[in-house]
Amino acid sequence: ILNVEQSPQSLHVQEGDSTNFTCSFPSSNFYALHWYRWETAKSPEALFVMTLNGDEKKKGRISATLNTKEGYSYLYIKGSQPEDSATYLCADREPAGTALIFGKGTTLSVSS
Amino acid sequence: DAGVIQSPRHEVTEMGQEVTLRCKPISGHDYLFWYRQTMMRGLELLIYFNNNVPIDDSGMPEDRFSAKMPNASFSTLKIQPSEPRDSAVYFCATRQVEGSPLHFGNGTRLTVT
Repeated sequence: ILNVEQSPQSLHVQEGDSTNFTCSFPSSNFYALHWYRWETAKSPEALFVMTLNGDEKKKGRISATLNTKEGYSYLYIKGSQPEDSATYLCADREPAGTALIFGKGTTLSVSS
Repeated sequence: DAGVIQSPRHEVTEMGQEVTLRCKPISGHDYLFWYRQTMMRGLELLIYFNNNVPIDDSGMPEDRFSAKMPNASFSTLKIQPSEPRDSAVYFCATRQVEGSPLHFGNGTRLTVT
């Protein structure tokens, strides 16, 4: 059974703070690591799909890095804004198939 | 593109009743996934289809759960009989090809009393 772990479970920061959180996954049989952003009362939306060790992707103030050898990915948010408040999910592909297995997410709350 | 369409948005039913959740995928997306969201277990994979064929249903919790995809435009997830512990938000998600990101529907919030 694939185990995708995210930490911390929740995080509260002030507007303007930069923050980051972690996704850990098994380093063997790696295929792709996905990040999703899930706002309250909405559905998850894709942020990044990362496949290469050392990959770094960026979308505005949000960026992510990938280390497939040690099995982790970091998501960074620079200068957090209240609209960044959401749950951030990562997902790894299951070993025996092609479905995504999700971590439980990191819930970010940004106060102004 | 209307995105992934799920219905109903909310369903409240009594224990023992049959519940059917529906999903219309994005046209051209070959993969369709059913996930369940609970506080305890997070987003949990139930079953997925590739080109309308069920590939992995190992996440379906019990025989009370069944899913079908009769054609490329429609899938159902059925619970019969429903139980209070089935209360959760059920998401349908689709993707175009392996490795592409998932597109989620708005979910169906199921409450079984």
